[in-house]
Amino acid sequence: GAGVSQSPSNKVTEKGKDVELRCDPISGHTALYWYRQSLGQGLEFLIYFQGNSAPDKSGLPSDRFSAERTGGSVSTLTIQRTQQEDSAVYLCASSLRPSTDTQYFGPGTRLTVL
Amino acid sequence: SQQGEEDPQALSIQEGENATMNCSYKTSINNLQWYRQNSGRGLVHLILIRSNEREKHSGRLRVTLDTSKKSSSLLITASRAADTASYFCATGRLSSGSARQLTFGSGTQLTVLP
Repeated sequence: GAGVSQSPSNKVTEKGKDVELRCDPISGHTALYWYRQSLGQGLEFLIYFQGNSAPDKSGLPSDRFSAERTGGSVSTLTIQRTQQEDSAVYLCASSLRPSTDTQYFGPGTRLTVL
Repeated sequence: SQQGEEDPQALSIQEGENATMNCSYKTSINNLQWYRQNSGRGLVHLILIRSNEREKHSGRLRVTLDTSKKSSSLLITASRAADTASYFCATGRLSSGSARQLTFGSGTQLTVLP
């Protein structure tokens, strides 16, 4: 595709529900990254994929957060039993190779947990 | 862990003036990047400067890097109202599997008044 796409663009959910966020990276990009941005804050690294494997999960804030990537392309970030503090914009980025420095970002998913 | 911190947190200037934003970080880096974000959504990569570079230009952008002071500056010359956005510096370091995990600062909100 022309760029990184994410869906949904906005998600409102009730506390305790599970949510799935989707990321479609740029075609051919092998590395995929998830970040979280809380209101007025910088970006917080969550997880990184090289192909379908996730060598670095160090940023996942709790075991309620998980992510997978299939076919070396689409990735889903799942948050179980959402809490109000999970409210944030979730940004996905991809890069051509893991060693390539420039990451290209999607428009993000704004998650609001009521 | 290393962290980019921008200052000022907010900057308001008149169209045509130059805008300077600064970034400081704590540990050794491979590179430093500047990103722009409009309306709290996707980030756009502006420029990357490597640790062995001191200055880099791209259009109206000029970035400097002083590794001895662990600081960088972004200068936008002849600013336009369309430059209004949040600007983030991000430092790159090696993560597992040779990925470049980016560590972002909290950003500078630039407002260019027409």
